[in-house]
Amino acid sequence: EDQVTQSPEALRLQEGESSSLNCSYTVSGLRGLFWYRQDPGKGPEFLFTLYSAGEEKEKERLKATLTKKESFLHITAPKPEDSATYLCAVQARGATNKLIFGTGTLLAVQP
Amino acid sequence: DAGITQSPRHKVTETGTPVTLRCHQTENHRYMYWYRQDPGHGLRLIHYSYGVKDTDKGEVSDGYSVSRSKTEDFLLTLESATSSQTSVYFCAISPGTMTTNEKLFFGSGTQLSVL
Repeated sequence: EDQVTQSPEALRLQEGESSSLNCSYTVSGLRGLFWYRQDPGKGPEFLFTLYSAGEEKEKERLKATLTKKESFLHITAPKPEDSATYLCAVQARGATNKLIFGTGTLLAVQP
Repeated sequence: DAGITQSPRHKVTETGTPVTLRCHQTENHRYMYWYRQDPGHGLRLIHYSYGVKDTDKGEVSDGYSVSRSKTEDFLLTLESATSSQTSVYFCAISPGTMTTNEKLFFGSGTQLSVL
């Protein structure tokens, strides 16, 4: 069964304190792995898509990496505005139009 | 939210009553999706549409039906609402197919409470 597990469930950081979020996945052939950001009371907002092991994507203070079993979202020198829930999702080969989402990591960055 | 409007934003209803949620887009995207989000489960796909009058089931489609009579509108209907359908419902759109790894654009959600 295709599955996505995110850890930790919640993370509290001081401003400037770098850290990483983890997304472990089990899927019958990965077509793509997606990272989204979700603010309270809003819908998820797309951040990155990764397609193959070894691939990396960056956007401001965020960098996403991918291996054959997991993905990391690295947050460098976070700011309070980076506080949000970060969601990971995978698409399996042949699973047209269907993403499997993890339950997310709630990140709080304190000034 | 990429030209996506969900209505209503909040709704409280009673068990056994029919409920319809609406998703309206101004992007002319071909694909539209309905997801529900519950604590401990993450986002789960209910139904999706790949064109006018073309729909298919997701992983949690029981108790839900959908219709798409126009490109811009995608309706989700709970024929007889149950307490287990209390959730936050999100509409999403994409211009292409997920086989081409198109990213999803999400609406702001509808908080539905079934009492």
